Amino acid sequence: EAQVTQNPRYLITVTGKKLTVTCSQNMNHEYMSWYRQDPGLGLRQIYYSMNVEVTDKGDVPEGYKVSRKEKRNFPLILESPSPNQTSLYFCASSPGQGYSPLHFGNGTRLTVT
Amino acid sequence: GQNIDQPTEMTATEGAIVQINCTYQTSGFNGLFWYQQHAGEAPTFLSYNVLDGLEEKGRFSSFLSRSKGYSYLLLKELQMKDSASYLCAVRDKWNNFNKFYFGSGTKLNVKP
Repeated sequence: EAQVTQNPRYLITVTGKKLTVTCSQNMNHEYMSWYRQDPGLGLRQIYYSMNVEVTDKGDVPEGYKVSRKEKRNFPLILESPSPNQTSLYFCASSPGQGYSPLHFGNGTRLTVT
Repeated sequence: GQNIDQPTEMTATEGAIVQINCTYQTSGFNGLFWYQQHAGEAPTFLSYNVLDGLEEKGRFSSFLSRSKGYSYLLLKELQMKDSASYLCAVRDKWNNFNKFYFGSGTKLNVKP
């Protein structure tokens, strides 16, 4: 089954404790992206990647890191989480060309205390 | 970034028809998408327009006018399960690659 898999679904952590949210897709998509969703603000892009070893900042990259060592994986790293990073996070992927839509993972609800 | 506007919230009655509007401004338009999102869940793809006109998909239809920077999603024969947020997203072609931009979403409440 074609899908984008994120883990974990729920995560509660404390300020400053490094964490990684994993994202994997099995559709051989070139494009992958991370979004955060907060009430009233919609989906905001954190980072995106056009292909292996090619990443770039989205609209709200501060406090986040990503890597794209393999085509299928695009982890999101919070080196020193803070309470303002409490949010619902989505990973998404798409073929880089053509007219296909974004495919989303099931989301990760992160709480930083 | 791009400017995408849609109403924050709408209410409609079960069995009725509702139209959710979306206006956008973009430099390299390469398609407009509508997604449905239930609370706490992932957005799911509903429809897509790249050319002007109406695309129909069962109870859902989407319309696009590129010259006006305008789209709408039409939901017919509303059901209670249609209560969700509807996201308008524009794909922008930048350096021969696609980027997606999302509106804040329209929360649709369907009442009996």
